[in-house]
Amino acid sequence: EAGVTQFPSHSVIEKGQTVTLRCDPISGHDNLYWYRRVMGKEIKFLLHFVKESKQDESGMPNNRFLAERTGGTYSTLKVQPAELEDSGVYFCASSPPGQGQYYSGANVLTFGAGSRLTVL
Amino acid sequence: AQTVTQSQPEMSVQEAETVTLSCTYDTSESDYYLFWYKQPPSRQMILVIRQEAYKQQNATENRFSVNFQKAAKSFSLKISDSQLGDAAMYFCAYGWGTYKYIFGTGTRLKVLA
Repeated sequence: EAGVTQFPSHSVIEKGQTVTLRCDPISGHDNLYWYRRVMGKEIKFLLHFVKESKQDESGMPNNRFLAERTGGTYSTLKVQPAELEDSGVYFCASSPPGQGQYYSGANVLTFGAGSRLTVL
Repeated sequence: AQTVTQSQPEMSVQEAETVTLSCTYDTSESDYYLFWYKQPPSRQMILVIRQEAYKQQNATENRFSVNFQKAAKSFSLKISDSQLGDAAMYFCAYGWGTYKYIFGTGTRLKVLA
């Protein structure tokens, strides 16, 4: 099966510009997650979708970040306007139905390769 | 709050040798899961191995094994017979009944031919 696909793999933009990152989860995976790794630091949770609904967006840094998942398939993460501190690698992950907030098993997330964002 | 610490930013190992990557964590939970993920350069991050905290037996996956010390909150990854393809960034992660993994800062592993 195809894995989690992220596009673009690398984006370089000027401060103040807008960037949209896209994630295509594994087909049939209702749960979709966004994480971010700022250079040299840990990977941090941003938000979680169950189908098209935002289950948890507690990790979103501020209102310059907007995530959507129309139709419950692919998701986009828009940064507008981008700031220097937004630079990093944005990871998307997905997991099957049932592996959500109340799942008691070992939640195994399948990650994409990440989208590297560089803000100059 | 839960934290995960990887104290080795970079490690090197000679091909065919064994290397151990360290990871410590802090939590007040009794039931949780620990994971090691591997990300080769510009490639998908993949799950290497996982451990359920309630299991005393250390998890093993082929050449990869863990040393899980629950009381010490330590979860190290041992890679035996290292291969060039093992070169990657390795992330230790902690997860519990939900989906918010807590990751460490990563260890970059270089494999020397």
